[in-house]
Amino acid sequence: EAGVAQSPRYKIIEKRQSVAFWCNPISGHATLYWYQQILGQGPKLLIQFQNNGVVDDSQLPKDRFSAERLKGVDSTLKIQPAKLEDSAVYLCASSRQGFEAFFGQGTRLTVV
Amino acid sequence: GESVGLHLPTLSVQEGDNSIINCAYSNSASDYFIWYKQESGKGPQFIIDIRSNMDKRQGQRVTVLLNKTVKHLSLQIAATQPGDSAVYFCAETNAGNMLTFGGGTRLMVKP
Repeated sequence: EAGVAQSPRYKIIEKRQSVAFWCNPISGHATLYWYQQILGQGPKLLIQFQNNGVVDDSQLPKDRFSAERLKGVDSTLKIQPAKLEDSAVYLCASSRQGFEAFFGQGTRLTVV
Repeated sequence: GESVGLHLPTLSVQEGDNSIINCAYSNSASDYFIWYKQESGKGPQFIIDIRSNMDKRQGQRVTVLLNKTVKHLSLQIAATQPGDSAVYFCAETNAGNMLTFGGGTRLMVKP
């Protein structure tokens, strides 16, 4: 079974630029999560999708972050404009409803 | 690669000893709990899970204990090996929603 795929693996941008991350979940997994992990901390949930609907986005900074999951499969997370404090690893995970989540390797974002 | 757990609590054990990693969770309504292992440069990896109708679950070399009265979760690793060195996170969820992670513990295994 293929795992969760994320790209790019690394990204360096200047502050105020925009960036997008892509995630392809495990086939058949209806639930998809995006997490932000700052160095030395646990992953922080940004948004959870169930199929193509948003279950929770209470911790998503909506003035600059947006996410979509068209057709209930792949998802993209966008930051526009980026700030220095957005430097982190962005993790995507997927699961069957009510079961463990499987994570991708993440995208390491550096904002300079 | 860059370390995941630079500022996390650290547990240092001798190879072959047993390890116990503790976690306090926050939501009394949480009904499903998961332990994850994260190595540098990788995403969290599932280790073991437990549902709220149980208080103990065993896997291969790992055991999870759940105490709902005090909202406490622990992960026991038997005969700890160097490959067990990583950061360990507990996570909780309610009906599959809002999978929330704790702060993590870094496990260092001395050969």
